[in-house]
Amino acid sequence: SQKIEQNSEALNIQEGKTATLTCNYTNYSPAYLQWYRQDPGRGPVFLLLIRENEKEKRKERLKVTFDTTLKQSLFHITASQPADSATYLCAPRELNDYKLSFGAGTTVTVRA
Amino acid sequence: DGGITQSPKYLFRKEGQNVTLSCEQNLNHDAMYWYRQDPGQGLRLIYYSQIVNDFQKGDIAEGYSVSREKKESFPLTVTSAQKNPTAFYLCASTNRQGNEQFFGPGTRLTVL
Repeated sequence: SQKIEQNSEALNIQEGKTATLTCNYTNYSPAYLQWYRQDPGRGPVFLLLIRENEKEKRKERLKVTFDTTLKQSLFHITASQPADSATYLCAPRELNDYKLSFGAGTTVTVRA
Repeated sequence: DGGITQSPKYLFRKEGQNVTLSCEQNLNHDAMYWYRQDPGQGLRLIYYSQIVNDFQKGDIAEGYSVSREKKESFPLTVTSAQKNPTAFYLCASTNRQGNEQFFGPGTRLTVL
């Protein structure tokens, strides 16, 4: 069956450092992989999408990589700030398939 | 303002009663989704619909039912057959490209 695994441990980092989150998937051949941010009690908000033919994508302080051989995506928050504290979710999506399942998420806490 | 509305924000029901959660979008999106989230857990896909009058089961459809009679609306019924209905329910939609999901604010259902 299809499986999406994210860092099971919460991440606690000092302000200014880089947070690196992992998303591994099995039994998927995703054409895209999406990353979302979720704050407590709210719905997730879309952050970034990376396509299978892209190795890396950046948006401001965020960087995502996608390795289809390793079946893995890495999500980096550089120069982290306390406002980056949230849960981050990954969601691989196959081409022409509207089904979208999410990993359990990794909670990041940035200390001032 | 375009977006997704879910109502009510909080819902209480007695055990054994069916309850219907509302989800409306004015984004002109084709696809709509329902997810369930339990405390400290990720999102689990209940049902999704690509077009009007069509829907597919997600990963945890048992005890739930949906309808998609209008493009803007995708109500979810939590039936008495759902053994553990207390949870946070999130509705989402996406356009035909499916590159980004937009989420509603969620409904927190408590069954007493």
